[in-house]
Amino acid sequence: QKEVEQDPGPLSVPEGAIVSLNCTYSNSAFQYFMWYRQYSRKGPELLMYTYSSGNKEDGRFTAQVDKSSKYISLFIRDSQPSDSATYLCAMSASGDYKLSFGAGTTVTVRA
Amino acid sequence: EAGVAQSPRYKIIEKRQSVAFWCNPISGHATLYWYQQILGQGPKLLIQFQNNGVVDDSQLPKDRFSAERLKGVDSTLKIQPAKLEDSAVYLCASSLVAYGTNEKLFFGSGTQLSVL
Repeated sequence: QKEVEQDPGPLSVPEGAIVSLNCTYSNSAFQYFMWYRQYSRKGPELLMYTYSSGNKEDGRFTAQVDKSSKYISLFIRDSQPSDSATYLCAMSASGDYKLSFGAGTTVTVRA
Repeated sequence: EAGVAQSPRYKIIEKRQSVAFWCNPISGHATLYWYQQILGQGPKLLIQFQNNGVVDDSQLPKDRFSAERLKGVDSTLKIQPAKLEDSAVYLCASSLVAYGTNEKLFFGSGTQLSVL
């Protein structure tokens, strides 16, 4: 069993739709949860960073963490064609620099 | 602010040949990472440097992979000899602060390696 599971998709939505992405994990020591966005032929770029449980909102993006279920989510509201990318979840334990990444979900937003 | 620079962008070699990748992190970033990203998978950490010392190389295949970070700035990752399964994107990342913290990583665009 992988430490972090992420549905690879692909996911195709019309412009303006809400995009819902999620990851599950098995390591209960994970405390830091991140979402990275990776455009084609580019490196990952940090999008959201959350510590422990709860919600965090940044513009059109909302990250949710449910540690009791070992489940994290990213929601993109009013999606735009520029949101078309691969979204990677990543997580680490407190004081541990190692990031465990999901496989990434490829999202296409159709104009 | 200049980002993490990597070269070359693409490399095609035959198996058993050698190859080297170069990375220049963001100025002032103490920590440098090399990740391997195989198609359809998330990045996997190969090696982490804190200044010019190795913090973690537990997932580096040391029989064929080597890396150095001379003078605590730029870094080189080498593969010798390459195998077909080494085909991947090699990502360099850097972060500002020290080992043991959960600091934001900045990634370069990567080097895409194809081994034929």
